[in-house]
Order: sequence, then structure tokens, then C-alpha cells
Amino acid sequence: QVQLVQSGSELKQPGASVKISCKASGYIFTNYAINWLRQVPGQGLQWMGWINTNTGIPTYAQGFTGQFVFSLDTSVSSAYLQISSLKAEDTAVYYCARNFLPGLRLFDYWGQGTLVTVSS
Amino acid sequence: EIVLTQSPGTLSLSPGEGATLSCRASQSVSNNYLVWYQQKPGQAPRLLIYGASSRATGIPDRFSGSGSGTDFTLTISRLEPEDFAVYYCQQYGWSPYTFGQGTKLEIK
Repeated sequence: QVQLVQSGSELKQPGASVKISCKASGYIFTNYAINWLRQVPGQGLQWMGWINTNTGIPTYAQGFTGQFVFSLDTSVSSAYLQISSLKAEDTAVYYCARNFLPGLRLFDYWGQGTLVTVSS
Repeated sequence: EIVLTQSPGTLSLSPGEGATLSCRASQSVSNNYLVWYQQKPGQAPRLLIYGASSRATGIPDRFSGSGSGTDFTLTISRLEPEDFAVYYCQQYGWSPYTFGQGTKLEIK
């Protein structure tokens, strides 16, 4: 069965970096794009962007450039989100999610989420 | 950016009743590319309805979606205990792909 399994919760100090992994199984990894989304605790969802799992080319939504980097390791069917220069307002649950349909940004399978807490 | 406004913010109903959730867009959603998700505490969202009215695989037929343009509705007939959750709409017609703020469906 299709699964996206993310790395565990992180507690980071302001200014640090974090790298979240998303390991896919149960399907051909390069057939579906991977998206990244953010959910601040108790709030709604924001789409951060996506990465083409064939080319490795990322696309970032407005407001998620510079500090955020999407990457892949197709040899282990994994996608990564790296966040640098962490601030308290980056505290959130970060999800990876698979594109349901080619070219259309709706999501059928999601990782379980990774809580990143930024606090001194 | 398309802003999606969901109403009501909270809906208190009893099992067996029907629920109607609304999602209004600030501009027309291209091709009715509107999706509904269900999210339970501590879980990732679950795809329910896409293309405004198509049920995703495995979704019970008590869930239905309707609407077009700027006004969309998720209807749940005969609420089951497991249906009490937060529901989000999302448009995937125009980047950035935006979500509504959610409707919390709670047990009365």
C-alpha cells in the first residue's frame, strides 16, 4: 500500500536548521510529484510548493523562498525539506503529500506530519 | 491569490443528522478544481471529494460535494461518530493553491 513516512519531531533553537525526510513506498516514486505543506498548530494549511520527482526541479510558493529547500534522493524514494535560519514563527507541523493527479495540486496520500518546534 | 472562506466555523450536530458545509471563493475556481479534506486530531488530512463533486476512492456515499464557480458545498448525510472532525476546502485551479480556514464539526 502507498505510504509516506516522515522523520520524527524536532526541537530547534532559533537560527538553527532542520532537514525533514519523507520516505515513499508502495508506488513508483518518480511517477508522482511530492508537495510540502505547513500547518501552524491550531490553524489551517498552507501549500509551500512541490518538487518534480523526475527532474528534481523544485517550485516554491510565494513566501516560501530562500529559507526553504526541497530535495530528493530517488535511490531511496525520499524527499526532503530543509529549513534554515529557523524562527519561532516556523513552529508548525510540516507535511509531505503526493499529487493525486499529474499536474494538479491536490493530494491523495500524506505523510504523518513532522512537528518542528523552534524555541530557545 | 484566491481566498477561500468556510462557514460556519463550528457546526454542532448529533449523529444521524445531516451536515452542510460551505466554501466560498473570492474569485471563480478554474474548472471547479475544488477539493474537500477531513482532518482528525493528530492526523494528516484525508482526501474526500475532488473536482467539487467526485468522491475519492473508499469514501462513503454519505459524503457528497456540489457547487461551481465561487460557491461550493460539502454535504454529509446521516452523520456517523467518526465524521466529527475538521473539514477543509482547497482550490487547485490557480497557484498559490489555497485552503479555507476549516469548519469544525463537533458532536452536540
